[in-house]
Amino acid sequence: GQQVMQIPQYQHVQEGEDFTTYCNSSTTLSNIQWYKQRPGGHPVFLIQLVKSGEVKKQKRLTFQFGEAKKNSSLHITATQTTDVGTYFCAGDFGNEKLTFGTGTRLTIIP
Amino acid sequence: ETGVTQTPRHLVMGMTNKKSLKCEQHLGHNAMYWYKQSAKKPLELMFVYNFKEQTENNSVPSRFSPECPNSSHLFLHLHTLQPEDSALYLCASSQDRRVRTQYFGPGTRLTVL
Repeated sequence: GQQVMQIPQYQHVQEGEDFTTYCNSSTTLSNIQWYKQRPGGHPVFLIQLVKSGEVKKQKRLTFQFGEAKKNSSLHITATQTTDVGTYFCAGDFGNEKLTFGTGTRLTIIP
Repeated sequence: ETGVTQTPRHLVMGMTNKKSLKCEQHLGHNAMYWYKQSAKKPLELMFVYNFKEQTENNSVPSRFSPECPNSSHLFLHLHTLQPEDSALYLCASSQDRRVRTQYFGPGTRLTVL
């Protein structure tokens, strides 16, 4: 089936350290989306990547889409306590359905 | 963030009860979704409605019954649930089935006793 694997499942970092989460698909994606869910909250859309090799930045967040459109990453530079939450990728295989990854839960050690 | 609202926010019900979850979106979208989020599994898509028509049912047990009277409202009717159905139920909307950026509601935290 069409699955999106996301690693790591958990990440604990010291405040100020960097953080990266990765998503991988066995088949080519039409596009990939990223969402953030704060503790006790609901997923909130962050960004969509469409083009092969695309890189987008939002302040300290950098999103990349692989050349083969099968993998993606989210990198946060110099984490802050406001970055706490679970980050989900969601792959669009072009079949009118988003497939969410399992998420990476980020906790920050002050 | 009040584009998608859900009621109730919390619900405790017995296995013999019948209850309904309500979702309303104020974004002018045409597609609406129900997801289940439990601790041990990723987001599970349950149902998809596009222009009020159900376009997807991901093998969801019949004790969950969706209803979409118009493009702005979505219900999930619950009856004879099991304790393993306890989870966060999230409603989402998107512009339509092709433009699928999901706008989620706050969710209903359901506990089945």
